[in-house]
Amino acid sequence: GAVVSQHPSWVICKSGTSVKIECRSLDFQATTMFWYRQFPKQSLMLMATSNEGSKATYEQGVEKDKFLINHASLTLSTLTVTSAHPEDSSFYICSAELAGERGETQYFGPGTRLLVL
Amino acid sequence: AQSVTQLDSHVSVSEGTPVLLRCNYSSSYSPSLFWYVQHPNKGLQLLLKYTSAATLVKGINGFEAEFKKSETSFHLTKPSAHMSDAAEYFCVVSPLRNTPLVFGKGTRLSVIA
Repeated sequence: GAVVSQHPSWVICKSGTSVKIECRSLDFQATTMFWYRQFPKQSLMLMATSNEGSKATYEQGVEKDKFLINHASLTLSTLTVTSAHPEDSSFYICSAELAGERGETQYFGPGTRLLVL
Repeated sequence: AQSVTQLDSHVSVSEGTPVLLRCNYSSSYSPSLFWYVQHPNKGLQLLLKYTSAATLVKGINGFEAEFKKSETSFHLTKPSAHMSDAAEYFCVVSPLRNTPLVFGKGTRLSVIA
């Protein structure tokens, strides 16, 4: 149980185009999902918190107009990188929060590798 | 302020020998603590979670972690390393409900045949 999927697993795009990444909780509903970015050999950096039915909360320094987040249902959140540039190349990981008897736990997707040429 | 310190950036062990990955935390509250593992080009997989129910937490793949409040530590152990354990391990603190997770910088575990 508690499986999170991401699609696509990797994407190569030209500079200036937009890329959409999907994050799905497959066997549970998640009111809250999170989007992270990970640079090589570094830890995860939280970009934004996505709440179903409301606007995402962005971390300081993350451009909300560049990284559009939509959490339209309890099992799906999407991250759209608009007008992508080479510096946006990175590994993007989402997580979905599952509430349990002993508090919340985040379950992570397998990640999406983005390469912007 | 909450923080997590993973004391070793890289640990190397021989196959079949014990594994110890160290983690210290600071938190103003009684936190939830997690260990996640990340294999190359993969997402994070939950190994185990501490939420004050028991100080010794058993996780998947034979891993355990012991919460020691007096030492503010949550070290991860495994009696016998396997080649498939080679990966990056993250110690993570959840300070309060609905607050962001605080990640350690990670420890890369190498297992030598």
